[in-house]
Amino acid sequence: EAEVAQSPRYKITEKSQAVAFWCDPISGHATLYWYRQILGQGPELLVQFQDESVVDDSQLPKDRFSAERLKGVDSTLKIQPAELGDSAMYLCASSLDPDTYYEQYFGPGTRLTVT
Amino acid sequence: AQSVAQPEDQVNVAEGNPLTVKCTYSVSGNPYLFWYVQYPNRGLQFLLKYITGDNLVKGSYGFEAEFNKSQTSFHLKKPSALVSDSALYFCAGDNQGGKLIFGQGTELSVKP
Repeated sequence: EAEVAQSPRYKITEKSQAVAFWCDPISGHATLYWYRQILGQGPELLVQFQDESVVDDSQLPKDRFSAERLKGVDSTLKIQPAELGDSAMYLCASSLDPDTYYEQYFGPGTRLTVT
Repeated sequence: AQSVAQPEDQVNVAEGNPLTVKCTYSVSGNPYLFWYVQYPNRGLQFLLKYITGDNLVKGSYGFEAEFNKSQTSFHLKKPSALVSDSALYFCAGDNQGGKLIFGQGTELSVKP
């Protein structure tokens, strides 16, 4: 069964450093999402792509976070500089279509710890 | 404001007993509602969804959920719990506006 791939699985970094996360969605899925999940809470959408275009980045802290999906396939989420409050699980998900009628398939996540 | 609430942080059930994980929503219009499950250090896995039609939705691993418009609820149920059902369960909703809103999660613990 096809899966969403993410790397790294775990990342420890010092505050003020830069970090980057990678996601490869299920083949053929045009819509890609990045979520942040703080311990004890549900995921919150950071950014949504349709192919290579950003559809929604209203919750992305743009002063330090950036995301790209240059060829409309895999995607990178970057944080620079990292802050202590960025410690969380970063989840990538993909779906066939942007309509939320379609269920989203999640990757295993990257757990970020900022020290 | 649109929201999805899971009123119980934790649910404890004995193996073989029925289980219910509660979810209520406050979403304008006709909502799409979902249940996802998360095992430790893993991403979320889709269980089932309600879009329209029959209020009782059947999903993966023997789970089902009942959409109740008058009570604005979408509770997850299973007739006979397994120890392997122990995990974190998330309810999510959308009003066809293009963004899923997740509840805070309910930890299900099934004891042998």
